Amino acid sequence: GESVGLHLPTLSVQEGDNSIINCAYSNSASDYFIWYKQESGKGPQFIIDIRSNMDKRQGQRVTVLLNKTVKHLSLQIAATQPGDSAVYFCAENSQASGTYKYIFGTGTRLKVLA
Amino acid sequence: GAGVSQTPSNKVTEKGKYVELRCDPISGHTALYWYRQSLGQGPEFLIYFQGTGAADDSGLPNDRFFAVRPEGSVSTLKIQRTERGDSAVYLCASSSSGGRNEQFFGPGTRLTVL
Repeated sequence: GESVGLHLPTLSVQEGDNSIINCAYSNSASDYFIWYKQESGKGPQFIIDIRSNMDKRQGQRVTVLLNKTVKHLSLQIAATQPGDSAVYFCAENSQASGTYKYIFGTGTRLKVLA
Repeated sequence: GAGVSQTPSNKVTEKGKYVELRCDPISGHTALYWYRQSLGQGPEFLIYFQGTGAADDSGLPNDRFFAVRPEGSVSTLKIQRTERGDSAVYLCASSSSGGRNEQFFGPGTRLTVL
């Protein structure tokens, strides 16, 4: 399928290195955040989520860090593999909004170099 | 089915025509979301159904866009009098009960308006 985004910020990392992808959000009322991975021609795929009462959450090879003070979250991928090459999006939701609509960021393309 | 399916995968139409995009969610999922994704952008929320009713349609850009889910399963996104600016990938997602349950995305329908 066609590339998701042609003008996205790109992070290039060597295979085996750790990757850190960043996301800034603007709504201070957001209290739930998700990281998605999107491969070319496919829909986004859930990676990991975090609620605002936490500042760190770990999954398999991934860690999400949340800094509510500066409204920033990051996704860390350990031992990056070629299969990690994709576009990564953060998404946010605010329970105070009364809706379960999610606002997505613009995304970062991760390229894994062999 | 195994996952969310969307038909058609590609749709090319002429400016001013009417189009329908279909989403088949995962069986038993009560929540269904529609998003629009333009090149270089993250998915943009359009509408969210809980069962047969639209729980939040605040993302529909104007009255040319309409979506239905008459039996609480399959959904159709309808766009009247298409414009070139409607060209995008339209993504559908479903989740088991809405809220903050994981959303599973389909592969999308690429709409091109000439």
